[in-house]
Amino acid sequence: RKEVEQDPGPFNVPEGATVAFNCTYSNSASQSFFWYRQDCRKEPKLLMSVYSSGNEDGRFTAQLNRASQYISLLIRDSKLSDSATYLCVVNPPSGNTPLVFGKGTRLSVIA
Amino acid sequence: DADVTQTPRNRITKTGKRIMLECSQTKGHDRMYWYRQDPGLGLRLIYYSFDVKDINKGEISDGYSVSRQAQAKFSLSLESAIPNQTALYFCATSGTGTSGYTGELFFGEGSRLTVL
Repeated sequence: RKEVEQDPGPFNVPEGATVAFNCTYSNSASQSFFWYRQDCRKEPKLLMSVYSSGNEDGRFTAQLNRASQYISLLIRDSKLSDSATYLCVVNPPSGNTPLVFGKGTRLSVIA
Repeated sequence: DADVTQTPRNRITKTGKRIMLECSQTKGHDRMYWYRQDPGLGLRLIYYSFDVKDINKGEISDGYSVSRQAQAKFSLSLESAIPNQTALYFCATSGTGTSGYTGELFFGEGSRLTVL
């Protein structure tokens, strides 16, 4: 099992739709998790951190399921500007090794 | 001004040439990283450094070397560039907050390298 796995997509959704991405991780001792957003040819930027039972920020909700070792990102009322690649990132348990990145899920929101 | 600055932003070179990509940061972070990104392959870690005297190989370090000249500077070298090193290269930093290591990475804007 790869350390961090994501469905590469693309997910093509109409404006206003709700879309969800899942990400699975292999190390059950991992403690912290993140979603990054990357626009085409730009640098990745932190979208949300995911701790314990998850969190919500406006239209975005991130959740953690430790039993099944996955995190999810839910985007409600999709906007054209949400079109990007979403990277799932896991912080290994030791804290002294680099973050592990998934390959990303591409989202296209269409008018 | 950007907190993490990469130079050059774009570079075209020929096979066999030596290339250096430079990264400097004003965030005061102790940890610095070099990644490359290729379509469909995601971000892959080349080298990382947790302090000035610390250098660690990532998953794809062959053909690359790094130098941590100061806490704020981390450079990546391709001693003899080859075409399959054509990619988008990112430098990133991370540091500790008041409650410890935050885990958040701050990226530079990227350096696009083409090796002919």
